[in-house]
Amino acid sequence: AQTVTQSQPEMSVQEAETVTLSCTYDTSENNYYLFWYKQPPSRQMILVIRQEAYKQQNATENRFSVNFQKAAKSFSLKISDSQLGDTAMYFCAFMKHVQYSTLTFGKGTMLLVSP
Amino acid sequence: DGGITQSPKYLFRKEGQNVTLSCEQNLNHDAMYWYRQDPGQGLRLIYYSQIVNDFQKGDIAEGYSVSREKKESFPLTVTSAQKNPTAFYLCASSAEAVGYEQYFGPGTRLTVT
Repeated sequence: AQTVTQSQPEMSVQEAETVTLSCTYDTSENNYYLFWYKQPPSRQMILVIRQEAYKQQNATENRFSVNFQKAAKSFSLKISDSQLGDTAMYFCAFMKHVQYSTLTFGKGTMLLVSP
Repeated sequence: DGGITQSPKYLFRKEGQNVTLSCEQNLNHDAMYWYRQDPGQGLRLIYYSQIVNDFQKGDIAEGYSVSREKKESFPLTVTSAQKNPTAFYLCASSAEAVGYEQYFGPGTRLTVT
């Protein structure tokens, strides 16, 4: 079974600054996907970024980037130039690289961006 | 617009009553999923279905039931056997065409008193 751990229940950052959210996971799989989802106050789950384990290059989406360390089973999310709209719950999630696999989520990190 | 619909957004029931949560998608996705979210718990998988007329239990299936009679629909029934039914419920769907990425609905907040 897979487990995903987010050790930071809450974090805060000021607008325009950079913040890093941590995630570690445990699995015996070699091929898998890792995700960061954002859940704003509306509670709609929004995919932020996706990383395929077989790719060595870290994924980047505009202000969002990841630091994927496969050997250490670590998958952190860096948010640059933080904006007020980034205030949300952030979930790290794991999925096996098989057809229609299910997601295993961490417990989430609440990020508050202040002016 | 393609997407996933969950209705209603808020649902209230008395203890001992069964209640069915609706989930509809027009994305032509083969697979659908139900997750439960509690404060400080993240999302936990209740049931999922890869094709019509077939579904599998997730990590916390006890007290829940589902059906998949149509590709577009995957209703979840919360039965009176579910000990703590008050929670936020999220439905998702995925397909090979989108790399099995799961798309989420807006959720239903169920309160049982």
